[in-house]
Amino acid sequence: DVKVTQSSRYLVKRTGEKVFLECVQDMDHENMFWYRQDPGLGLRLIYFSYDVKMKEKGDIPEGYSVSREKKERFSLILESASTNQTSMYLCASRSSGTGLPLHFGNGTRLTVT
Amino acid sequence: EDQVTQSPEALRLQEGESSSLNCSYTVSGLRGLFWYRQDPGKGPEFLFTLYSAGEEKEKERLKATLTKKESFLHITAPKPEDSATYLCAVADDMRFGAGTRLTVKP
Repeated sequence: DVKVTQSSRYLVKRTGEKVFLECVQDMDHENMFWYRQDPGLGLRLIYFSYDVKMKEKGDIPEGYSVSREKKERFSLILESASTNQTSMYLCASRSSGTGLPLHFGNGTRLTVT
Repeated sequence: EDQVTQSPEALRLQEGESSSLNCSYTVSGLRGLFWYRQDPGKGPEFLFTLYSAGEEKEKERLKATLTKKESFLHITAPKPEDSATYLCAVADDMRFGAGTRLTVKP
């Protein structure tokens, strides 16, 4: 079974802090994704990566950056956290190739005060 | 831009009361449509992939179908443990609908 592990289940940070959300997958997947999930808005794609050191902007990249130095690890960085970044953050991975599903971690609930 | 719309936003059923959830999409060249189940506080769990119009997939009380413009998730004789949010998404940009929150009362 694919396992996607997000390092924290809950995080509380202050406005202006730099925040790192870590995600590790154990199935040698090429593609990795970061989403945020808000009530009524569903999942929105922040960034994704097709391979090591590659990154692409999703629908809502503003205020975020990412890092993928190793294949199994994909980090989401909030450069200067703001209250409107309070959300559930979900990491996912999949193999490369057309029409393959995502495998998700259990999420990090981030609160910015 | 690809669009994925799910309806209804929320659905309350009595145990045993069958119903359907809808996922409509506008994509150029569908490469796959996915259904996921999400329990509170957890990440989405993959259920089905459908690739072409007319295709059907089944798992226990769930059956997913696909046409050229929409997909349905049929729930037959649901049980309280089927309560969850059901999400659909389209490949390959993995754009998701907002989900349907299903509650099944005993």
